[in-house]
Amino acid sequence: GAVVSQHPSWVICKSGTSVKIECRSLDFQATTMFWYRQFPKQSLMLMATSNEGSKATYEQGVEKDKFLINHASLTLSTLTVTSAHPEDSSFYICSADSSSGYNEQFFGPGTRLTVL
Amino acid sequence: GQNIDQPTEMTATEGAIVQINCTYQTSGFNGLFWYQQHAGEAPTFLSYNVLDGLEEKGRFSSFLSRSKGYSYLLLKELQMKDSASYLCAVRVHNTNAGKSTFGDGTTLTVKP
Repeated sequence: GAVVSQHPSWVICKSGTSVKIECRSLDFQATTMFWYRQFPKQSLMLMATSNEGSKATYEQGVEKDKFLINHASLTLSTLTVTSAHPEDSSFYICSADSSSGYNEQFFGPGTRLTVL
Repeated sequence: GQNIDQPTEMTATEGAIVQINCTYQTSGFNGLFWYQQHAGEAPTFLSYNVLDGLEEKGRFSSFLSRSKGYSYLLLKELQMKDSASYLCAVRVHNTNAGKSTFGDGTTLTVKP
């Protein structure tokens, strides 16, 4: 199956700093990628849809100025958490649709963000 | 929005069969996914149902009844490695798989 990578796998930062997380589709092109956040013992919450070459679409309640998404190529989407605070500590997961676009999505391994 | 309900926790014995249920209420239903997620890892795709009936894939099977808004994931010959969270996700209308709404997940513990 298709492979999606994320980098870094974990990051610890000080409050007020910005953190960039990369999501790459390694063996396929992904015009659409998705960013999720998962708090401990909770389910995945879709934050935004990342569209190659255009602006991301954010879900209700997600601050677009705080969570900057850039999808500059068909294999890379980045999520930048700006001015991170302890409440932003979470597991961030990206995914990309399969080539068919509908019946399957492939998840990256996730990035554990801890903000001190 | 969609309401998706799954049991929070289940426990089963190695070698046994377990059924994890998922009920949903939504308009414009267009498919239901099951994912497995081990602690600290990302989810992995298990199955996809869009028509009524049973889809079998090795030890795992998934069933869907659209009229009842109901699905289940059946795991046979349980192994210790099957201990994980199982997520039910519903897609609506003509959207990408990634736009699905996830249930809170069912944590399955397999005991020897």
